[in-house]
This record gives sequence, structure tokens and C-alpha cells, in this order.
Amino acid sequence: AQSVTQPDIHITVSEGASLELRCNYSYGATPYLFWYVQSPGQGLQLLLKYFSGDTLVQGIKGFEAEFKRSQSSFNLRKPSVHWSDAAEYFCAVGTTDKLIFGTGTRLQVFP
Amino acid sequence: DADVTQTPRNRITKTGKRIMLECSQTKGHDRMYWYRQDPGLGLRLIYYSFDVKDINKGEISDGYSVSRQAQAKFSLSLESAIPNQTALYFCATSDPGHTEQYFGPGTRLTVT
Repeated sequence: AQSVTQPDIHITVSEGASLELRCNYSYGATPYLFWYVQSPGQGLQLLLKYFSGDTLVQGIKGFEAEFKRSQSSFNLRKPSVHWSDAAEYFCAVGTTDKLIFGTGTRLQVFP
Repeated sequence: DADVTQTPRNRITKTGKRIMLECSQTKGHDRMYWYRQDPGLGLRLIYYSFDVKDINKGEISDGYSVSRQAQAKFSLSLESAIPNQTALYFCATSDPGHTEQYFGPGTRLTVT
């Protein structure tokens, strides 16, 4: 069955610390991979996406993600978190027709 | 102006009432989607449409119906609302050439 797992429901970090949000997927073939961010009261905004090629992709707001085929993972990273990064983050996988979303990771940032 | 708009943004309704959520987009995309978001469950696909004449059920379509009135408009209806339909509802659009989905701001629906 196709699925996306975000094992961390809630993560708390200090401002300036590094961040890694985990995403694992189960899919028949290598899907397209996405990370979206949802700020409080807002819709979802695309951070980055992977289709093929270089397995390290750069996104907006200083985020990057690395696709590891052997681990079926697509983890999101940021070297130094800002207070404005506090939000909920969703990993998604799929095709051009449909996406499957993970359950989300809520990021809290302490000053 | 926002590319994908949803109305209303918030709605409280009673069990058994019919309610319609509306979505409009100015991106010129053919594909439109309706999702619901519940805490701890992420986003789940309710219905999707690849063009005006193409409507497809998603993962959780029971209790919902949709209407694609035009390329730019895609409405979600709850024929007889029930409390477990209380959720945040998102509309999204996509263009096959871009493979990215663009989301509206969401409608928070409460069924009492």
C-alpha cells in the first residue's frame, strides 16, 4: 500500500539550532516527493520538490531535503532555524495526478 | 489577489444541514482537488477533477459531493452534515506540466 510516514508528531528546537524532519514512504516506484509548510491559519506552501536527478534539493526559506532511495526517505533539513519557521510541515509523495500526504510534524521554536 | 480562494473561511452549521464550500482559482489550471485536514491525520483527498467533465472520488468521498461549474470553480457539498465532518477543508489546483499543487487558505467547518 502507498503511504507516507512522518514519525515525529511534534519537534521543539531552539532558535539557531539545526533541524531535521523525517519522512519515509512506501510506494510502488520512485514517486515525486514534496515538502509543504503550513503556517498557523494559512494554506499549504511548497517548500521544495524532487522529481529526479541530484538527490539533494534546495528549497525556499533556506530548507533542503535529501532523497535516499535505499531508505525510502526524503528528510527535510535546515542548518539554523528561525522563530518564523514555527509551523506544521507535511511530506507528500505521488504522481502528477494525486498526492499522498503524511500526518505532519509540528515545529515549535524557542528563542 | 490570491490565486486560489475559498468561501466561506469559517462556518458553523448544525447536524443535518446542507452546506456548500466554494473554491475559485485564477491560475487557469485544469485540475482541482478537495482535501480535508484533521489533527494527526494530515490531508486526505475527498474528490478531484481533471477538467469540467471529469470528476473522481478520492480516499474519503462518502458523505460529500462536488460540482465543477467551470474550469475556475469547484464546489464541495455536504448533503447532510454530521459532527465528524468537522474539519479544515482545503481546495487545491495543479497544472500537469508543473506537478505542483497550489492550495487555498482553507475553510474551517464546525458541525454541531
